[in-house]
Amino acid sequence: GAGVSQSPSNKVTEKGKDVELRCDPISGHTALYWYRQRLGQGLEFLIYFQGNSAPDKSGLPSDRFSAERTGESVSTLTIQRTQQEDSAVYLCASSLGRLAGSSYNEQFFGPGTRLTVL
Amino acid sequence: QQPVQSPQAVILREGEDAVINCSSSKALYSVHWYRQKHGEAPVFLMILLKGGEQKGHDKISASFNEKKQQSSLYLTASQLSYSGTYFCGTEMGFGNEKLTFGTGTRLTIIP
Repeated sequence: GAGVSQSPSNKVTEKGKDVELRCDPISGHTALYWYRQRLGQGLEFLIYFQGNSAPDKSGLPSDRFSAERTGESVSTLTIQRTQQEDSAVYLCASSLGRLAGSSYNEQFFGPGTRLTVL
Repeated sequence: QQPVQSPQAVILREGEDAVINCSSSKALYSVHWYRQKHGEAPVFLMILLKGGEQKGHDKISASFNEKKQQSSLYLTASQLSYSGTYFCGTEMGFGNEKLTFGTGTRLTIIP
């Protein structure tokens, strides 16, 4: 089956504009994660969904960042009033989820969206 | 809290072995290992659970010392395809499935 897909693959925007990033997880995966990776850095956790609920939003850097998930499928990460410091690759991952019975719960990553804020 | 990986970078000749370490200051439920090549998404390598269970690729081995909250990834007889940055991701407990990723170890294999 298809893997995790993300769109757009690249997004260039001007400072102050809003952007929406989309993630389509692997079908049947109940858990979905967003991470941010700045150039040359590691992966920084943003938010995690179990179904359509977000038990952990602790990684969202500010109230300009929000995310939602609908139909236990697609998720959208929205960044309002973008700043240059938001420039990064935004990675989405999905997993079966332990509550769904997966004891290992390995995460599968999408190709990411490269966001550049000018 | 972010786990610490060591070394930060290593250069090997093809066929040599390497060990990458991951340490956490908090009790862990599991440790995940991923490899990321430049410009690509991280790829799952191995997961080790508290209690000894593990799952991963045949050619990769790893250990998890629960008392010390440390994990090590063993790369033997390295191949050119092993080049990339290796990240460990730690999971604190059942019920919160987010991963906190380490600082990364850049591995370069030369012919």
